[in-house]
Amino acid sequence: GDSVTQMEGPVTLSEEAFLTINCTYTATGYPSLFWYVQYPGEGLQLLLKATKADDKGSNKGFEATYRKETTSFHLEKGSVQVSDSAVYFCALSDLVWDDKIIFGKGTRLHILP
Amino acid sequence: DGGITQSPKYLFRKEGQNVTLSCEQNLNHDAMYWYRQDPGQGLRLIYYSQIVNDFQKGDIAEGYSVSREKKESFPLTVTSAQKNPTAFYLCATTPGTSVYEQYFGPGTRLTVT
Repeated sequence: GDSVTQMEGPVTLSEEAFLTINCTYTATGYPSLFWYVQYPGEGLQLLLKATKADDKGSNKGFEATYRKETTSFHLEKGSVQVSDSAVYFCALSDLVWDDKIIFGKGTRLHILP
Repeated sequence: DGGITQSPKYLFRKEGQNVTLSCEQNLNHDAMYWYRQDPGQGLRLIYYSQIVNDFQKGDIAEGYSVSREKKESFPLTVTSAQKNPTAFYLCATTPGTSVYEQYFGPGTRLTVT
């Protein structure tokens, strides 16, 4: 079945550091890919998305490129801020399965001032 | 304001009691979902519903029940049969388009003692 694997956390960085959170997937169809963010005590919010190969999703300085050849969707940000501290989830929805979104286990990010 | 409401934010129950968690949406979205979140385990799907009066079991449905009598509402009952009910519960919706990005409510933290 479809699955999402993302790097385990916690990831701890200093403010203004470069961020990469790795995400790879397996899917039988043509998935759309997502990154969600969850701040403490809250629900998840969609951060960015990409619907086909080579698409780049971007929002709030975060970017991720849909790489079909490596089945990856790594999240990057050039200069992180303390306010970026949260849990980040990679996810996919696959038209073959049509009803569900598959989430990764989440990566907790701590940014130190 | 369009959105998803979950109430209450915090809920406390004694072991052996059933408890119902509320999820209401005014987004006019077709599909609704319930997830359970435990530390370090990401999101696990409990139940989901694509249309009124129909719902499907997710990955961890045992000990839970749902109903979908109205498009706007998808309550989740945690029964006394659920062995470890203490968790953070998240409700989500999708508009039913081909790109299945989900919209999340703020969550309910249930503590059973």
